Amino acid sequence: DTGVSQDPRHKITKRGQNVTFRCDPISEHNRLYWYRQTLGQGPEFLTYFQNEAQLEKSRLLSDRFSAERPKGSFSTLEIQRTEQGDSAMYLCASFWTGRTEAFFGQGTRLTVV
Amino acid sequence: DQQVKQNSPSLSVQEGRISILNCDYTNSMFDYFLWYKKYPAEGPTFLISISSIKDKNEDGRFTVFLNKSAKHLSLHIVPSQPGDSAVYFCAALDTAGGGADGLTFGKGTHLIIQP
Repeated sequence: DTGVSQDPRHKITKRGQNVTFRCDPISEHNRLYWYRQTLGQGPEFLTYFQNEAQLEKSRLLSDRFSAERPKGSFSTLEIQRTEQGDSAMYLCASFWTGRTEAFFGQGTRLTVV
Repeated sequence: DQQVKQNSPSLSVQEGRISILNCDYTNSMFDYFLWYKKYPAEGPTFLISISSIKDKNEDGRFTVFLNKSAKHLSLHIVPSQPGDSAVYFCAALDTAGGGADGLTFGKGTHLIIQP
């Protein structure tokens, strides 16, 4: 399967715990995005990487959130001290510069209890 | 401040008939528009797109129309099939801005195809 993959698919955590999600983009895609989707809303932009450089961060991304993309390949999104409001679907998307169609992974559903 | 608006949260259409999903945008810098389809517990899947230099793009049963002066686009599905039942998201992109903000999505329209 050469699509975007995300791990885990589901995560249940207690409030205050740290969680980390992983995204493996399509191998030739140099741009990687993280989005968050809550019920009844469309995906909302969180952050963006071009190769290994994090070029843009949304105001939605509080200082409890950090993302990395070492070596410009896979990316991780970490949430520290999770809160109930962090419960959402976290989506990763990748595409190649010069193209406009983003390809999404299946998402990680986070539930903070 | 919603820059991409899908004002119909849901739409019910009979199988075989035409489904028309609407989308409005406010940011005149958007110059590329995409429609994504999403099933529950899955990520969005790209469906069809249109550049602002065109007013129509067709791909099989799917056609997207763009009215730049009205800042309005629509997705037509004909004939509608049961497998089309899903949430459809309209998304917009400012390509001149380098795509740094990624796609701006509407809230989605839940399309239900009735047998």
